[in-house]
Amino acid sequence: ETGVTQSPTHLIKTRGQQVTLRCSSQSGHNTVSWYQQALGQGPQFIFQYYREEENGRGNFPPRFSGLQFPNYSSELNVNALELDDSALYLCASSLQGRDEQFFGPGTRLTVL
Amino acid sequence: KQEVTQIPAALSVPEGENLVLNCSFTDSAIYNLQWFRQDPGKGLTSLLLIQSSQREQTSGRLNASLDKSSGRSTLYIAASQPGDSATYLCAVRPFKARNNNDMRFGAGTRLTVKP
Repeated sequence: ETGVTQSPTHLIKTRGQQVTLRCSSQSGHNTVSWYQQALGQGPQFIFQYYREEENGRGNFPPRFSGLQFPNYSSELNVNALELDDSALYLCASSLQGRDEQFFGPGTRLTVL
Repeated sequence: KQEVTQIPAALSVPEGENLVLNCSFTDSAIYNLQWFRQDPGKGLTSLLLIQSSQREQTSGRLNASLDKSSGRSTLYIAASQPGDSATYLCAVRPFKARNNNDMRFGAGTRLTVKP
């Protein structure tokens, strides 16, 4: 059984650019959630995907968008990057209806 | 709006000591509460999950309690070891978010266990 993986590990972008982060779910999991963790803070929920549809969203603007694919892997896209978008982005997978989530190692995004 | 606070922000103890980490939340209408461990620059590892109807959960040297009415949870670590050094995060899932993963996290307690 493979765990949750994320790519890339680190990424540096400049303000105004666009970025795509990727996540592969743990085997058998059909739900993916994305979180943003600023330095020294707890993670904040961005959104969740189940059966390729967004079914929950936190307080993030529309320039944060996502996709879930038939194999349950997922992408997080951020347009018009701002300096405050610099953070660790965490992906977590779970089975819909089950409470426990399994987190990936994260992608460290730096916006200059 | 649910807010989660963890005290202390940082804690340093000698190896072998028993310790308690605290978590408080402002809205008692929760579905469950979860404690996580995070090593520097890494993802989160789930330690214990307490449903709103439960009072405590135990796993090895860890014991988590929940007092929903007072908005508090504690994580007790017995006989601490240097390998326990990490940041410990408390996360509350509001009842209204029971069908999704919109958990509210505290900022964490950074624990250092000295040999």
